Amino acid sequence: RKEVEQDPGPFNVPEGATVAFNCTYSNSASQSFFWYRQDCRKEPKLLMSVYSSGNEDGRFTAQLNRASQYISLLIRDSKLSDSATYLCVVDQTGNQFYFGTGTSLTVIP
Amino acid sequence: GAVVSQHPSRVICKSGTSVKIECRSLDFQATTMFWYRQFPKQSLMLMATSNEGSKATYEQGVEKDKFLINHASLTLSTLTVTSAHPEDSSFYICSASVGVEAFFGQGTRLTVV
Repeated sequence: RKEVEQDPGPFNVPEGATVAFNCTYSNSASQSFFWYRQDCRKEPKLLMSVYSSGNEDGRFTAQLNRASQYISLLIRDSKLSDSATYLCVVDQTGNQFYFGTGTSLTVIP
Repeated sequence: GAVVSQHPSRVICKSGTSVKIECRSLDFQATTMFWYRQFPKQSLMLMATSNEGSKATYEQGVEKDKFLINHASLTLSTLTVTSAHPEDSSFYICSASVGVEAFFGQGTRLTVV
C-alpha cells in the first residue's frame, strides 16, 4: 500500500469554481501534513501546512482528519493561475516526506 | 526564506558515464538532506536521506552503489548517478528542512542517451 494516496485527476474547472482535493495516508503515526504546489517542470513549493484544527489562507482551506487518516484541500474562486499539480505530503518521522502522486488542476477561462 | 540551490539544472550524458548533482543549502546548515526522483506524470519518490558525516540511508529498491551520495559538509550534498542508463533519465530534486518546512532545489533534469 502506498504511503500517500491521491486522486491524480485531472480536474478541469471553470474560473470561479470551487474545487476540492483529497488525500489519504497509511501511517497513523505521521506527524505533519502539507500541501505543495508544483508547476510543470519546476520544483514543488509549499502551499500550506495542514493543522488538526483546519486552517485557511485566503481562498485555500486545508483540513486534517486523523481518525480517518485523510487530508483535504479546498480552493474557492479558482483563478487561471491556480492551474498546477497539487501534492499531498506527509511527514512520517520528522523531516522524512512522502508525496502523493499529485492532482492535476486546470482552470479554464 | 531558506534557499536550496541545485546544480546543474539540466544535463545530458552518454550511457555508461557518471553524472554528479550538487545540492547546497545557501543560508542555513543542513545536517540532513533528501534526494527525490520524479518520472513524468508521477510523484516525487524519496530515494535516500543524506546525513552529514555519515552514510546515506537508502529507500527500498534504490541501489546504493548506483546512486552515490556524499554529504561532506553541512551545506553540501552530492548525488552521483554512476554508469547511467537511459532508464535513469528523470527529474532529480533535493530538499532540506528548516523546522517542519521542506525547501527544494530547482531540480536536475537528467537525460541519458
